Amino acid sequence: GESVGLHLPTLSVQEGDNSIINCAYSNSASDYFIWYKQESGKGPQFIIDIRSNMDKRQGQRVTVLLNKTVKHLSLQIAATQPGDSAVYFCAEYDQAGTALIFGKGTTLSVSS
Amino acid sequence: DAGVTQSPTHLIKTRGQHVTLRCSPISGHKSVSWYQQVLGQGPQFIFQYYEKEERGRGNFPDRFSARQFPNYSSELNVNALLLGDSALYLCASSLGTPGQEKLFFGSGTQLSVL
Repeated sequence: GESVGLHLPTLSVQEGDNSIINCAYSNSASDYFIWYKQESGKGPQFIIDIRSNMDKRQGQRVTVLLNKTVKHLSLQIAATQPGDSAVYFCAEYDQAGTALIFGKGTTLSVSS
Repeated sequence: DAGVTQSPTHLIKTRGQHVTLRCSPISGHKSVSWYQQVLGQGPQFIFQYYEKEERGRGNFPDRFSARQFPNYSSELNVNALLLGDSALYLCASSLGTPGQEKLFFGSGTQLSVL
C-alpha cells in the first residue's frame, strides 16, 4: 500500500547547527513531494516541494533532496533557529491524486 | 491576503450530537480538502472538493459528509459523534485540482467529544 514514513520521531539540535530530517516513501510512481512544518496549535505550513524530475531543490535556509532509487527524501535546514522547532511532515499524493498522504512526523527541538 | 480560514476554532460536543465545521479557501482557490488529525499523528484525508463536486473520499464512515458552495467555501458535517471523533479538523485549499499542487492549510477546528 501507499505510505510515507519518517526515520526518526524526534531530533534535537543546538541553535546554529544544520538539521537533516529524513523520510522514506513507498509509492515508486509518486512524482510530487511536499514538506510541511506544523507548530503547536496551528495547521501544517508549506515549506518546500519537489517534483520527481529533480534531485534537489533549495529554498531559504532549506534544501530538499530526492533519491528515487531508494525512495528517500530529506529536508535540510541550515543554521537551525529556535523558531524552527516544530513537527515536520513529508507528504505525497495517493495514486488517485486526491489525497495527500502524510507520515507520522519528526519533532524538531532546537535549544539555544 | 487572507489565508484559509476555519470556524469555529474550538468546539465541545457530546456523544451522539451533530457538528458542522466551516472553511473559506484562499481567494481564487477552487479546491477544498478536509483532513482529520489525531494527536500525535499526521493528517488523514477525509474529502476533496473541486468546483463543487466531490473528487475524492477517504476511509471515513458515512457519518461524515461535506459540500462545497458556489463561492468555493465548504462545510464538513459529522453526525452521531463518537468519542473517537475528537481531533483537529483541517481544511486546505489549492488553486486547481490537487495532485500536482501544494495545499494551503487553515489553523483547524479542535473538536472535543465528551
